[in-house]
Amino acid sequence: KAGVTQTPRYLIKTRGQQVTLSCSPISGHRSVSWYQQTPGQGLQFLFEYFSETQRNKGNFPGRFSGRQFSNSRSEMNVSTLELGDSALYLCASSRGTGDEKLFFGSGTQLSVL
Amino acid sequence: DAKTTQPNSMESNEEEPVHLPCNHSTISGTDYIHWYRQLPSQGPEYVIHGLTSNVNNRMASLAIAEDRKSSTLILHRATLRDAAVYYCILEQYSGGGADGLTFGKGTHLIIQP
Repeated sequence: KAGVTQTPRYLIKTRGQQVTLSCSPISGHRSVSWYQQTPGQGLQFLFEYFSETQRNKGNFPGRFSGRQFSNSRSEMNVSTLELGDSALYLCASSRGTGDEKLFFGSGTQLSVL
Repeated sequence: DAKTTQPNSMESNEEEPVHLPCNHSTISGTDYIHWYRQLPSQGPEYVIHGLTSNVNNRMASLAIAEDRKSSTLILHRATLRDAAVYYCILEQYSGGGADGLTFGKGTHLIIQP
């Protein structure tokens, strides 16, 4: 069974640009969550999508958005990039029915110059 | 989410048992206790979770105090591959949607050969 796949693995952007990250969940999983990891703040929850609907949201500005497609694949978009957006972005998938473990991808390392 | 407290780092020898403590004195009756670990350059990996009773799986055991205000992750025979950051997380399930895991700083486990 293939794991959670995130693309691209590395990305370099400049301030003011926008970026789109992709996450393919494990087959059969309908929930995809996104997390941001930085050395200073650690792992922080961004949002969760289930059956194409955002079900939960963390405390991030509106520049961070996402969507989920009918095949459960998800994309995360960050507009008007800031230097502080440099981070490892992780997605995790699960069945989404509660009381279950999350399967994380290896992440996309975003550097904003 | 209720908070957890873990030691910043712990050191152990290869092939010896490791006991990783976690305090969660404000845990509520519906909070599940999850443990994840993160190896360098990888996303977090599920280790184990439980509610009230002790739990065992092929990776580890989870011992939960009777008052649920603390728990201990037990690695029965540590190997060098167990060197990672271990996160103890509380999660409340609210009708099918995970509210997003709140990761703390975790415990950096060092294994000496």
